[in-house]
Amino acid sequence: KQEVTQIPAALSVPEGENLVLNCSFTDSAIYNLQWFRQDPGKGLTSLLLIQSSQREQTSGRLNASLDKSSGRSTLYIAASQPGDSATYLCAVLSGGGADGLTFGKGTHLIIQP
Amino acid sequence: SQTIHQWPATLVQPVGSPLSLECTVEGTSNPNLYWYRQAAGRGLQLLFYSVGIGQISSEVPQNLSASRPQDRQFILSSKKLLLSDSGFYLCALFIGPVAFFGQGTRLTVV
Repeated sequence: KQEVTQIPAALSVPEGENLVLNCSFTDSAIYNLQWFRQDPGKGLTSLLLIQSSQREQTSGRLNASLDKSSGRSTLYIAASQPGDSATYLCAVLSGGGADGLTFGKGTHLIIQP
Repeated sequence: SQTIHQWPATLVQPVGSPLSLECTVEGTSNPNLYWYRQAAGRGLQLLFYSVGIGQISSEVPQNLSASRPQDRQFILSSKKLLLSDSGFYLCALFIGPVAFFGQGTRLTVV
């Protein structure tokens, strides 16, 4: 059974810093890995999706990498801003595909102004 | 583009009462639909998924049930709520390999 772990569980940094969020998964037989953002009391917004054949994806100040063989992904946020404060969730799509995503518990990020 | 509607946004229900949460989607046809629950201090847990009308797969034995009466409608129900049913319920669909989520329903069972 796929398990996803995110480290750290919480992170608080001053504005402007670059930071890295970590995600690991136990079964490397994945179709893709997706990073989401969740604001308090809200649904999930997809940030980046990395197919199993890809190594990284970039969107603006966000860069996600994938090392499928070692079961790891990182989300890099450059020049952090207070608006980046949210919970970031990592999820993998594995198995037959139709049974959905397996999520980590998330990293709660606070960017101090 | 696809849109996912969930209602209500928040709900407070007494223990033992019934539950019905509705999810409807627009902008796509024959989607795979999912119900997830996010409980305090826990990750998102897949509850049910459906690949078509009348087809429901359950991931976790529990006090809940799901139905898909129409292609774009997915309903989560309970006959008698428990305190442990409290949480944030999210409906999702897949467009190819990409998952999209609704805004969720915050359920508090008192």
